[in-house]
Amino acid sequence: EADIYQTPRYLVIGTGKKITLECSQTMGHDKMYWYQQDPGMELHLIHYSYGVNSTEKGDLSSESTVSRIRTEHFPLTLESARPSHTSQYLCASSEEQGADEQFFGPGTRLTVL
Amino acid sequence: KNQVEQSPQSLIILEGKNCTLQCNYTVSPFSNLRWYKQDTGRGPVSLTIMTFSENTKSNGRYTATLDADTKQSSLHITASQLSDSASYICVVSDRGSTLGRLYFGRGTQLTVWP
Repeated sequence: EADIYQTPRYLVIGTGKKITLECSQTMGHDKMYWYQQDPGMELHLIHYSYGVNSTEKGDLSSESTVSRIRTEHFPLTLESARPSHTSQYLCASSEEQGADEQFFGPGTRLTVL
Repeated sequence: KNQVEQSPQSLIILEGKNCTLQCNYTVSPFSNLRWYKQDTGRGPVSLTIMTFSENTKSNGRYTATLDADTKQSSLHITASQLSDSASYICVVSDRGSTLGRLYFGRGTQLTVWP
């Protein structure tokens, strides 16, 4: 099993709250990713990072932001959560070379009331 | 438009039976195709990877095939077990970007009944 961790696993919060979803990996991977996945739907890339101090927006527009201050840590923040943000958020990482295989964390199931 | 289509959307089989899941893609250029298994409430885990020159690859009871000419892949599961109940996702990578852009299918939800 991949050494990539996400916390919390489940989060239920009220509208307007600020939240941070944590993602950490111990594999020393340079590239990290955040995906959003709704039930029965494909994964959509919302953010990615090539390495420290690198962050890019993915294919799906998202109101969330990310930071990459340390190689192993790639947190995602929502300044003001809304019901439309309710979804599963998956974090992944891959090596610098042969970047195609991504190792996924267990995900955070977010529900905004 | 680069797309990955999977069928069936869902499948129910009895324990011990075999099944085959399909994946059709239009991604170009093509780098490789992976099948992932995603258990409920977990992240996807890679089962197999196939490159352009590979036709068949096995991983235990899982056998993937690839026809790069017709842009089709299948995942065959032999002697299914209850633990095979999961979503199986086909993911195609292009070689057109430095990121190694991935295109995800919606998955086939497999349920194995005792």
